[in-house]
Amino acid sequence: DAGVTQSPTHLIKTRGQHVTLRCSPISGHKSVSWYQQVLGQGPQFIFQYYEKEERGRGNFPDRFSARQFPNYSSELNVNALLLGDSALYLCASSLKTSVNTGELFFGEGSRLTVL
Amino acid sequence: TQLLEQSPQFLSIQEGENLTVYCNSSSVFSSLQWYRQEPGEGPVLLVTVVTGGEVKKLKRLTFQFGDARKDSSLHITAAQPGDTGLYLCAGVNSGNTPLVFGKGTRLSVIA
Repeated sequence: DAGVTQSPTHLIKTRGQHVTLRCSPISGHKSVSWYQQVLGQGPQFIFQYYEKEERGRGNFPDRFSARQFPNYSSELNVNALLLGDSALYLCASSLKTSVNTGELFFGEGSRLTVL
Repeated sequence: TQLLEQSPQFLSIQEGENLTVYCNSSSVFSSLQWYRQEPGEGPVLLVTVVTGGEVKKLKRLTFQFGDARKDSSLHITAAQPGDTGLYLCAGVNSGNTPLVFGKGTRLSVIA
């Protein structure tokens, strides 16, 4: 069975541009969470979606947005990119609805570099 | 803001040695999770500890949750090069609040 898949795996953008990152959860998982992992840090929670509804949002500016589609895949959008947005963006799927879910299954991440 | 402090930040040891890494907080968590993240991959859940004082074993890895549910430790016996990676602890709260991750301990086991 396929795990969580994310695309693209690597990308380079310049300041001010926008980016869209995509995630497909494990089959049967209806919850998708997004995390930002800056080099040398642990993952920080950005969003959680369940059944296409936002169930949780971390302490990130409005430049960050996300959505979940009927097939439970998800997109993370970041506008007006800043140098500090350079990070590994991780998507995780789970069976549970709450943000403090019992077990998260992470994808390999999308590494974003902002120049 | 709840914080999880992990120590040491970096650890380099020889194959066959034992090691312990720590995860400490001033806050109480309903449970605590340990993940391992290898280069180029996402974190993978190793274990969840729920009860204060609980000890769980996963082959050569022993996880302990502090009695007060504020801290945890991971002990690896006879480390192998395959144990190399970033070890992350994550605190789980009751209610609808997200996981809180520590910064991790980066372990390198040299053959």
